[in-house]
Amino acid sequence: DAGVTQSPTHLIKTRGQQVTLRCSPKSGHDTVSWYQQALGQGPQFIFQYYEEEERQRGNFPDRFSGHQFPNYSSELNVNALLLGDSALYLCASSSGTLEETQYFGPGTRLLVL
Amino acid sequence: QQQVKQSPQSLIVQKGGISIINCAYENTAFDYFPWYQQFPGKGPALLIAIRPDVSEKKEGRFTISFNKSAKQFSLHIMDSQPGDSATYFCAAIVAGNTPLVFGKGTRLSVIA
Repeated sequence: DAGVTQSPTHLIKTRGQQVTLRCSPKSGHDTVSWYQQALGQGPQFIFQYYEEEERQRGNFPDRFSGHQFPNYSSELNVNALLLGDSALYLCASSSGTLEETQYFGPGTRLLVL
Repeated sequence: QQQVKQSPQSLIVQKGGISIINCAYENTAFDYFPWYQQFPGKGPALLIAIRPDVSEKKEGRFTISFNKSAKQFSLHIMDSQPGDSATYFCAAIVAGNTPLVFGKGTRLSVIA
């Protein structure tokens, strides 16, 4: 049973560029949440997707956007990258009926220069 | 405003000892309290979780103690091993209402 997968594992971008990160949820899960984890900090909630719609959103600017596909996979897009966007981006999946039990992927390490 | 406060920031424990990490929360509506373990370069892994209707939950060497009146919960790692060296995060959620809210983490080092 494959767990949550994310791609790419690492990414280097320059300020002002745009980036797309991808996530495939654990088999049987239909809800995907995205988190940003700065170095030495706990994960911060960005947004959550369920049934291809954004269900909840954290305190992140509109530069952060996402999408969920019919197969439940998801993308996180960040526009106009800032140095402060450098972080580990985590995807977590859950079942709509047990959403509190979230399983995390390995993350994508983004470095903005 | 941080909704879940975690302490200590770092912890060094001798092999075989007990590691204790504490968390306090503010939102009394939280109804699920998981602990996550994270190794360097990896995503957080769900370790153990508790709901507020029980005061303690044990899984192997890991125990959560929950004090609803004090709005506090803690993770106890018995017989700590070097392989337990990782960063531990407490979290809380109101299922169907709020996202997971994490503490800032505790870096545990178990030394032989």
